[in-house]
Amino acid sequence: DSGVTQTPKHLITATGQRVTLRCSPRSGDLSVYWYQQSLDQGLQFLIQYYNGEERAKGNILERFSAQQFPDLHSELNLSSLELGDSALYFCASSVESHATLDGYTFGSGTRLTVV
Amino acid sequence: DQQVKQNSPSLSVQEGRISILNCDYTNSMFDYFLWYKKYPAEGPTFLISISSIKDKNEDGRFTVFLNKSAKHLSLHIVPSQPGDSAVYFCAARTVNAGNMLTFGGGTRLMVKP
Repeated sequence: DSGVTQTPKHLITATGQRVTLRCSPRSGDLSVYWYQQSLDQGLQFLIQYYNGEERAKGNILERFSAQQFPDLHSELNLSSLELGDSALYFCASSVESHATLDGYTFGSGTRLTVV
Repeated sequence: DQQVKQNSPSLSVQEGRISILNCDYTNSMFDYFLWYKKYPAEGPTFLISISSIKDKNEDGRFTVFLNKSAKHLSLHIVPSQPGDSAVYFCAARTVNAGNMLTFGGGTRLMVKP
């Protein structure tokens, strides 16, 4: 158990729907990062929050949004879902606002299947 | 534009031999390089890292080499064990660009008993 908790583990939904993925960071970590891993591809950075504020943005679609709450958990909202949004979504956390030589701690991911 | 590339999608090695996983990058602004290991149904776990001011870092059976002039990174595992079978991702941190990690596509390592 890495200490980063992601729920749900699996999600199957229809095109056009909206889903929310949840992440609780490791205790003491202030940064939360969201990554998307499509079929057998690398992890694509979506967005980072640090202590409630958006810190960095990657190739995140306008249909996707995220936020970090006062208790530091984060939610990734995906709307108007398309088949191509099917992927593994990982959340990671770190103490600092930036990556260090210790990297991030990842959760086990949410597998989203859009049918 | 893939700034971090792992050109070998898979690698098969005999138990006890050396595994060498390679990674190439294009961005000269990368200052930290990391390797992650990922088992099925789990998230990536941090393995080893190196700063761009060094050319080698060793941790037990794992050694990372950095060749900045060639923009090339490699992970050596000696000796390889069946439990090392996993997908390995290299990652790099960009200075002054949000300082987040950019990942390669991964290499699946299979260590045969």
